[in-house]
Amino acid sequence: AQSVTQLGSHVSVSEGALVLLRCNYSSSVPPYLFWYVQYPNQGLQLLLKYTSAATLVKGINGFEAEFKKSETSFHLTKPSAHMSDAAEYFCAVSDPGGYQKVTFGIGTKLQVIP
Amino acid sequence: EAGVTQFPSHSVIEKGQTVTLRCDPISGHDNLYWYRRVMGKEIKFLLHFVKESKQDESGMPNNRFLAERTGGTYSTLKVQPAELEDSGVYFCASSRTLGETQYFGPGTRLLVL
Repeated sequence: AQSVTQLGSHVSVSEGALVLLRCNYSSSVPPYLFWYVQYPNQGLQLLLKYTSAATLVKGINGFEAEFKKSETSFHLTKPSAHMSDAAEYFCAVSDPGGYQKVTFGIGTKLQVIP
Repeated sequence: EAGVTQFPSHSVIEKGQTVTLRCDPISGHDNLYWYRRVMGKEIKFLLHFVKESKQDESGMPNNRFLAERTGGTYSTLKVQPAELEDSGVYFCASSRTLGETQYFGPGTRLLVL
């Protein structure tokens, strides 16, 4: 069974500050890992994904995440927050060898303060 | 290329009524998934179609939920009769093949009163 823990259901940062959203996973097999974002009144959009290639993954809108097997972590970062980054972010895991159903974390709402 | 579309965007029904949600995947995507997010909880997998066949329905809550994908194109998810705890956001996703990125629709917000 797979699971995802997102630390902090709400995170506030000042505009221009570092964004750090934490994600830890549990998986019995080497996983695929994802970050999805949901902007207000929109669907889920893939930010980035890790599929066992490079451990540092770059995504859209300046976000990146680093896969750390020893820490079972896949934290999402962005050097400088913009107001447009305000959204809900979901970390997720899937089993590459299975039928690809995705297991999500509970989500982190990011607030960007001007 | 059009994305995954879902209809309706919102639905408010009374307990005991029936509701049918529709998902149109991206054209050419054989894999179609349904997920649900109950308020304050994680987004949870419901089921997975490959073309018109149910590949995995381990996440379906109970037999009040019926999903179909006739002809391997669009899919419907029927809830009959609806209960209060069925309220939430129902997401649909599709992918061309297994292992490829799942693209999500905007979701249907269901409220059962």
